[in-house]
Amino acid sequence: GESVGLHLPTLSVQEGDNSIINCAYSNSASDYFIWYKQESGKGPQFIIDIRSNMDKRQGQRVTVLLNKTVKHLSLQIAATQPGDSAVYFCAENENQAGTALIFGKGTTLSVSS
Amino acid sequence: DAGVIQSPRHEVTEMGQEVTLRCKPISGHNSLFWYRQTMMRGLELLIYFNNNVPIDDSGMPEDRFSAKMPNASFSTLKIQPSEPRDSAVYFCASSPRTRTADTQYFGPGTRLTVL
Repeated sequence: GESVGLHLPTLSVQEGDNSIINCAYSNSASDYFIWYKQESGKGPQFIIDIRSNMDKRQGQRVTVLLNKTVKHLSLQIAATQPGDSAVYFCAENENQAGTALIFGKGTTLSVSS
Repeated sequence: DAGVIQSPRHEVTEMGQEVTLRCKPISGHNSLFWYRQTMMRGLELLIYFNNNVPIDDSGMPEDRFSAKMPNASFSTLKIQPSEPRDSAVYFCASSPRTRTADTQYFGPGTRLTVL
């Protein structure tokens, strides 16, 4: 079946740098996308979401970009901080009743001081 | 708001024993989801409920797994009998709308170890 996948399993950055985490999806019917952050020992925490009628959405220090042409999603974190160290998951959904979020495997972001 | 509450946080049991995991969703949310997370398979949806009614249980691995939601504020996931391969972190999540295409808020998880 179709699934969400992540390009890189790990990403290491220096504090203060910008981080970019990528996600590829294969279901062209997907209409809704979410990024979650999971810290060690905790449940996934919602960061930001975007629907397919948009190609960019900004939050506090985070930006999600959606390229429907190539089925690609990215999360940009500005001025990365040690507290951003976590596993980041993208998830997709067809935005229809009766379908569920499909999660990618996750990317580990490691921020060094 | 206390968020999604799960209990126990950790469970260690022996193969063959019954395990019951509990979840209290965020008040007012009408969708509830059970997930399992392992290193090998990532986050897998097991089952979800809308307005206390099970909608999709196709992710439930076997008949040994069952889930109930007797009311809007409580759900259980039961494994009977448990097996070592059931060892994982089990998350409960809730959502404020009946469509799945909305933000889901996760609980802290229950780490299950089956010896």
